[in-house]
Amino acid sequence: EVQLEESGGNLVQPGRSLRLSCAASGFTFDDYAMHWVRQAPGEGLEWVSGISWNSDNTDYADSVQGRFSISRDNASNSLYLQMNSLRPEDTAFYYCAKDMSRFLEWLSPFDYWGQGTLVTVSS
Amino acid sequence: AIQLTQSPSSLSASVGDRVTITCRASQGISSALAWYQQKPGKAPKLLIYHASSLESGVPSRFSGSGSGTDFTLTISSLQPEDFATYFCQQFNGYPYTFGQGTKLEIK
Repeated sequence: EVQLEESGGNLVQPGRSLRLSCAASGFTFDDYAMHWVRQAPGEGLEWVSGISWNSDNTDYADSVQGRFSISRDNASNSLYLQMNSLRPEDTAFYYCAKDMSRFLEWLSPFDYWGQGTLVTVSS
Repeated sequence: AIQLTQSPSSLSASVGDRVTITCRASQGISSALAWYQQKPGKAPKLLIYHASSLESGVPSRFSGSGSGTDFTLTISSLQPEDFATYFCQQFNGYPYTFGQGTKLEIK
């Protein structure tokens, strides 16, 4: 059974940093690209970032470019999102999601999602 | 970025009803469209990909159609467990974008 479990969400002040983690199990992690998607409370979904299976290719939404950094550790089946210079508008549930293919450029949807972790940016 | 407009934004229906949700893209995306179901406090669940391919394990009462800019998700006979919010997503190019959602409620 595929499982994705996010952690690291917290209340943080504007301008501070936070690192999210996603622990994957139930599939061959290094066979697939992975993504982060966020959802502000009561709002729609926003793709945040993606990373290819071997970390060679990453991509970011304009809203987080230069502030967030995605990474993965295939040895430990883990995905990460380093979030710097946080803003109130970054407040959201953050989901990790499994791509259906290895490469970002293969343009595939997400077949599994985690339950999400809440990041609240407020003073 | 490609914008996706879903309609309606909310819908009231009864068990057994046939329901159709539409998703319109701001530019052509071929068949690079997926549909997800999300229940309160839960992760989104993939239903349909490539506009009309049914994800494994998803009941056959769900179907998708369309290509280019206009897409539909149809639930042929609503079941109690289908009351949820539905999102479309385009994966024709980055940034991937989502529709604003359609909340399906019990009448």
